[in-house]
Amino acid sequence: DGGITQSPKYLFRKEGQNVTLSCEQNLNHDAMYWYRQDPGQGLRLIYYSQIVNDFQKGDIAEGYSVSREKKESFPLTVTSAQKNPTAFYLCASKVMESSYNEQFFGPGTRLTVL
Amino acid sequence: GQQVMQIPQYQHVQEGEDFTTYCNSSTTLSNIQWYKQRPGGHPVFLIQLVKSGEVKKQKRLTFQFGEAKKNSSLHITATQTTDVGTYFCAVSGYSTLTFGKGTMLLVSP
Repeated sequence: DGGITQSPKYLFRKEGQNVTLSCEQNLNHDAMYWYRQDPGQGLRLIYYSQIVNDFQKGDIAEGYSVSREKKESFPLTVTSAQKNPTAFYLCASKVMESSYNEQFFGPGTRLTVL
Repeated sequence: GQQVMQIPQYQHVQEGEDFTTYCNSSTTLSNIQWYKQRPGGHPVFLIQLVKSGEVKKQKRLTFQFGEAKKNSSLHITATQTTDVGTYFCAVSGYSTLTFGKGTMLLVSP
């Protein structure tokens, strides 16, 4: 089955620890995205990447880092500098050269920092 | 970047009643997309509207794009409990989407 996988589904960390969220896709999509979702806030863009070894900051990149070493993978690290990291994190991907900008989302990782 | 205001933030209806959510922008939009997110789930693409005045239907769902391409609506006729979730509009930038804050729909049987 083609799709986007995120692991784990639930993640608990102690304050001050870095944590890396996994995102893998086998859709052969060029672009990948990370969003943060808080209740009543919609989806806010953290980082995105349109090509391997290149990525751009989104609206709320502070306290986060990413890498794109492979087309299929776009891991997100939530660093200790992120002041309020508890949230639902969604990864998405899409085809770059398309008249449709439809994004496909993974199931998400719910991060709780204690 | 472009911003969109989505209203209402929340709506609770009885099963069988209609529901409408609106998405408004102060600038002209190139296109608009709609997504649905079930409780505990992830957003799923519903549709994209591109043309001025465009109307598209998917069973009980009707999507409209305003003549001035500054607003859009999603109307659900005769809601069912399976319609429960949050509906988001999203507008395209060069390579990114900007999402509205969503309308949460609750349907009571």
